[in-house]
Amino acid sequence: KAGVTQTPRYLIKTRGQQVTLSCSPISGHRSVSWYQQTPGQGLQFLFEYFSETQRNKGNFPGRFSGRQFSNSRSEMNVSTLELGDSALYLCASSPTGQSTDTQYFGPGTRLTVL
Amino acid sequence: AQSVAQPEDQVNVAEGNPLTVKCTYSVSGNPYLFWYVQYPNRGLQFLLKYITGDNLVKGSYGFEAEFNKSQTSFHLKKPSALVSDSALYFCAVRDAYSADSWGKLQFGAGTQVVVTP
Repeated sequence: KAGVTQTPRYLIKTRGQQVTLSCSPISGHRSVSWYQQTPGQGLQFLFEYFSETQRNKGNFPGRFSGRQFSNSRSEMNVSTLELGDSALYLCASSPTGQSTDTQYFGPGTRLTVL
Repeated sequence: AQSVAQPEDQVNVAEGNPLTVKCTYSVSGNPYLFWYVQYPNRGLQFLLKYITGDNLVKGSYGFEAEFNKSQTSFHLKKPSALVSDSALYFCAVRDAYSADSWGKLQFGAGTQVVVTP
């Protein structure tokens, strides 16, 4: 099976712009989670989607949003970019998102905000 | 609330020697525990997990981990380290019965492992 794919791999944006990141889960996986990884804060959970519904959300401002499509592909959007949004954004998929599920991660999208 | 502590920022070991990466956790209910490894400019790769049953869990690439409920620990071990094991290792936890666990892993800060030839 193909793994989790994320596009684009690298992005450079300026403050105030918005950005959309894409994630394609492993075939058959219906749960998609997003994480932000920074040197200072480590890995932080953004949100999780299952069957096009957001089931869980981390402590991030409303500028961070996401959605999931009927084929389980997911996008996340960050509006009004700030310098502090520079990070590696990781997407992970699992069959159902249940507690016992293993999450499988994509290679990430490296976002740089200038 | 759930949390994970990885007390060592970096672990240095010579190739061929045993490798141990420490992890302790805190959850309200029963823990589900995971180890991941991250190579530079890559995503996280799953190594192993503990859900229930035998306290010694065997995973990928010769790694294993021991769940110790009384010490709330889940240390990662490898009997003989390789230079290629040099990477960033993350421990993660979920509370088995928390509604906040849907699709969410709580990660530790990570431990950098450096294996020298």
